[in-house]
Amino acid sequence: EPEVTQTPSHQVTQMGQEVILRCVPISNHLYFYWYRQILGQKVEFLVSFYNNEISEKSEIFDDQFSVERPDGSNFTLKIRSTKLEDSAMYFCASSQSLDGYTFGSGTRLTVV
Amino acid sequence: RKEVEQDPGPFNVPEGATVAFNCTYSNSASQSFFWYRQDCRKEPKLLMSVYSSGNEDGRFTAQLNRASQYISLLIRDSKLSDSATYLCVVSPRGNTPLVFGKGTRLSVIA
Repeated sequence: EPEVTQTPSHQVTQMGQEVILRCVPISNHLYFYWYRQILGQKVEFLVSFYNNEISEKSEIFDDQFSVERPDGSNFTLKIRSTKLEDSAMYFCASSQSLDGYTFGSGTRLTVV
Repeated sequence: RKEVEQDPGPFNVPEGATVAFNCTYSNSASQSFFWYRQDCRKEPKLLMSVYSSGNEDGRFTAQLNRASQYISLLIRDSKLSDSATYLCVVSPRGNTPLVFGKGTRLSVIA
């Protein structure tokens, strides 16, 4: 079964540092997403990406965040200057259609 | 008012029991509805889509009441492997971001 692959599985970074979270979506999917889940909280939408541009973003996705699809396979989330409150699980997802969401296994980001 | 509201539980039930989860959503224009399952510190996985006519997949039955903005999930003959958090998920319109509830935790006990 096709998978969404995320690396690294766990990232520890110091406050103020930049981090890049990486994702390889399913190859024939057209829509890409980042969600996050703070420990004990609900899964929250960050951003969606289609046709090489952001299609929608939440209020969480401020100027500290950016996404990129640098080649035909990778989809990255960059946090420019991490804060303690950015500590969370970050899930990448891709879909071909609304019923076809597949989530990656996540990157646990810990900001110290 | 929260967009998607669920009873957080936990629901502790013996093996073989029937358990029901409820969910309400605030956006009456929502178009698509789902139940996802999330194991501890893992990604959400689609359990089933929910249709107005109701739908069943083995031991799992989902119902949608658009008038009441209410979604339910029934699990019959609970197994130990059903222990997880069940997430009610709504999408406001076609292929737009999913809105998650906080989830209901289920523990099935031998």
